Amino acid sequence: NAGVTQTPKFQVLKTGQSMTLQCAQDMNHNSMYWYRQDPGMGLRLIYYSASEGTTDKGEVPNGYNVSRLNKREFSLRLESAAPSQTSVYFCASMKGTTTNEKLFFGSGTQLSVL
Amino acid sequence: GQQLNQSPQSMFIQEGEDVSMNCTSSSIFNTWLWYKQDPGEGPVLLIALYKAGELTSNGRLTAQFGITRKDSFLNISASIPSDVGIYFCAGQRNTDKLIFGTGTRLQVFP
Repeated sequence: NAGVTQTPKFQVLKTGQSMTLQCAQDMNHNSMYWYRQDPGMGLRLIYYSASEGTTDKGEVPNGYNVSRLNKREFSLRLESAAPSQTSVYFCASMKGTTTNEKLFFGSGTQLSVL
Repeated sequence: GQQLNQSPQSMFIQEGEDVSMNCTSSSIFNTWLWYKQDPGEGPVLLIALYKAGELTSNGRLTAQFGITRKDSFLNISASIPSDVGIYFCAGQRNTDKLIFGTGTRLQVFP
């Protein structure tokens, strides 16, 4: 049982390049989330998907797009990367939408934008 | 957006010592959660609190939901090297999305 799997683990981009961060969960969870973690800032919500076919903005959505491809997969896309997007990105999932204590995290993607 | 203030920002302690950290907010929360993040990994839930004044333990860890509902505390007794990591609090109001604290980085020396 892999839980929440994120790829890649590390990525370096040049300003203006695009890329997609992949996330998949095998726990049959309904809701999925993308967070970014910056030093001294904790975890901030970028986008979330309460269920297959729906997506909503979180606290810091600018510069990102998401796709809930199916129940298992939730991808995060940077269309034109900027140095301010250098961060560690975490995908998370949970069964419902209101019981947040069941939030399971992936191991993160460390992204550097030069 | 709102963030929760955690203190201290970092701690360097010797193995066997007890640790205390806290989290404060300007708003009331209905749920307080404590997560631990090991180096290179995602956060993992340690303790969940649902009622003002509630005190809950998980092994050597004890957390409390503050009476005012604007704060929470985490204590670790008799620290060991594997306690190293970043500890995050998180709060939730009703069905709003979780708000995470800024983290407390713990280093334990043998």
